[in-house]
Amino acid sequence: KAGVTQTPRYLIKTRGQQVTLSCSPISGHRSVSWYQQTPGQGLQFLFEYFSETQRNKGNFPGRFSGRQFSNSRSEMNVSTLELGDSALYLCASSQGLPYSGANVLTFGAGSRLTVL
Amino acid sequence: GEDVEQSLFLSVREGDSSVINCTYTDSSSTYLYWYKQEPGAGLQLLTYIFSNMDMKQDQRLTVLLNKKDKHLSLRIADTQTGDSAIYFCAENYGGATNKLIFGTGTLLAVQP
Repeated sequence: KAGVTQTPRYLIKTRGQQVTLSCSPISGHRSVSWYQQTPGQGLQFLFEYFSETQRNKGNFPGRFSGRQFSNSRSEMNVSTLELGDSALYLCASSQGLPYSGANVLTFGAGSRLTVL
Repeated sequence: GEDVEQSLFLSVREGDSSVINCTYTDSSSTYLYWYKQEPGAGLQLLTYIFSNMDMKQDQRLTVLLNKKDKHLSLRIADTQTGDSAIYFCAENYGGATNKLIFGTGTLLAVQP
């Protein structure tokens, strides 16, 4: 069973550009969550999608956006990049049924973004 | 508020037990989790515990939960060099959601 696939694994952008990151969840998983990991702030929740709908959003500026497609694949976009957006962006998928027990998230290896 | 705290670093000798501690804040959390992150990799779920349990054992891993003090610990028996990694505890914020609040992470260094 394939795991969570994130592309690209590494990318370098300059300030002011925008970036799109992609996440393919485990087959059959309908929920996708995104997290940002930095040395200073640690792991922070960005957003969560279930059946193409944003179910939850973290405390990030509007430059951070995402979406989920009908096949459960998800993308996140960061516009007008700032130096502080340099981070490891992690995607996680789960079956996504709420109120049904432990939310077992399976994480991808991440996309490492460097903003120069 | 959302604040999950862990000690930053733990060093143990191979074969000893490791105990990683965590304090959390949200009393409505239904599940608490332990994740492991190796260099250059994503997060790997190690184990989780339901909030009405005191203890859960899973092979070399033992999780203890003190709900009154909002304290969670992970004990790794017979620690191996392959256990060297960063360990994160996490809680479900507000219960029924996939939003996890992660701790600051504990770097476990296992000396041969």
